[in-house]
Amino acid sequence: NAGVTQTPKFQVLKTGQSMTLQCAQDMNHEYMSWYRQDPGMGLRLIHYSVGAGITDQGEVPNGYNVSRSTTEDFPLRLLSAAPSQTSVYFCASSYSTRNNQPQHFGDGTRLSIL
Amino acid sequence: LAKTTQPISMDSYEGQEVNITCSHNNIATNDYITWYQQFPSQGPRFIIQGYKTKVTNEVASLFIPADRKSSTLSLPRVSLSDTAVYYCLVGASHTGTASKLTFGTGTRLQVTL
Repeated sequence: NAGVTQTPKFQVLKTGQSMTLQCAQDMNHEYMSWYRQDPGMGLRLIHYSVGAGITDQGEVPNGYNVSRSTTEDFPLRLLSAAPSQTSVYFCASSYSTRNNQPQHFGDGTRLSIL
Repeated sequence: LAKTTQPISMDSYEGQEVNITCSHNNIATNDYITWYQQFPSQGPRFIIQGYKTKVTNEVASLFIPADRKSSTLSLPRVSLSDTAVYYCLVGASHTGTASKLTFGTGTRLQVTL
């Protein structure tokens, strides 16, 4: 049982480059989301999806795009990387959008923008 | 949004019981209270969830008073491996979805010998 799988685990980019962070879950979960975590801070919601073909913005969406073409995959795209996007990115999923459904997290992607 | 307030950090010795309290004065009728644990270099992991009174599982207990404006996560007999950051979350009432859950900065628990 893989759960939530994020790739890559580490990445270094130059300012202005674009990149896609991959997230896949094998639990047939309806809800998926992306968070970023900066040192000394909690997790901040970037984008989320309540089902295939449906996405919406979270707390800090600027500079990021998402799409949800399948139930399993929810990639996060950085359009033009900036140093302020250096962070650890976590993808999560849950069975439904009801707020009593626990979220399952991946182990994160550590991204550095030079 | 139901904002939560937790202590920034706590220290404990191995074998002691640890209680972490979370304040959520604006909790809505339909909101659940969920606690997550995060180790360094890992994603958060679900620990326990409750709506009212007391919930217990093999890892922890969650105490919720009648007014539900706070909750207490209780970790019995902690060990060094319980050193982690603990987050209290309360669901968003206006949407009733997990989409607006706010993690906050959490409580950093340090367990020593």
